[in-house]
Amino acid sequence: DSGVTQTPKHLITATGQRVTLRCSPRSGDLSVYWYQQSLDQGLQFLIQYYNGEERAKGNILERFSAQQFPDLHSELNLSSLELGDSALYFCASSVLGTGRNEQFFGPGTRLTVL
Amino acid sequence: AQSVTQPDIHITVSEGASLELRCNYSYGATPYLFWYVQSPGQGLQLLLKYFSGDTLVQGIKGFEAEFKRSQSSFNLRKPSVHWSDAAEYFCAVGGKGNAGKSTFGDGTTLTVKP
Repeated sequence: DSGVTQTPKHLITATGQRVTLRCSPRSGDLSVYWYQQSLDQGLQFLIQYYNGEERAKGNILERFSAQQFPDLHSELNLSSLELGDSALYFCASSVLGTGRNEQFFGPGTRLTVL
Repeated sequence: AQSVTQPDIHITVSEGASLELRCNYSYGATPYLFWYVQSPGQGLQLLLKYFSGDTLVQGIKGFEAEFKRSQSSFNLRKPSVHWSDAAEYFCAVGGKGNAGKSTFGDGTTLTVKP
């Protein structure tokens, strides 16, 4: 158990809908990362937050947004969902969010868009 | 820009045999390097990391990796593979500075034959 929690574990929804994925980092970790893992794209970095502020952005679509709240939990919002958004979404956390910090990964949320 | 290449998509070894998973990176300075393992249905877990100093680093579960600057490589090794090592392995390079964005390779899937 990494100490990172993600809810829900599974999510099934329809195209065009909007969903919110939630992540609670390990106690004491200030930085949160979001990743998307699919069979054709592999593990893709989406976005990083540090202590409530956006720190780095990866291949995140404009239909996706995220935020980190004062209690350090984070939410990833996915809107106007398409079939291709079906994937495993991971949240990870690290202590300070620098490149030398190990990232602790949550178990993931499996999103299926029908 | 930093990048990671894992040349082998899939490797099969017999239980008890030795293992080497290849990782090549591209980065302008001495990188922060990581190996993570992902068991089926799980998030990623750190096996080991390299920042500086001794180029041979030891990790959990009997794994080790060697940093070779001249070859821009950070290959993962294990002298004797166990059936429980069957998983997907990711090499990652961490960025310098405040942004903790890590770039992950596409992963190598390890199958262990009895």
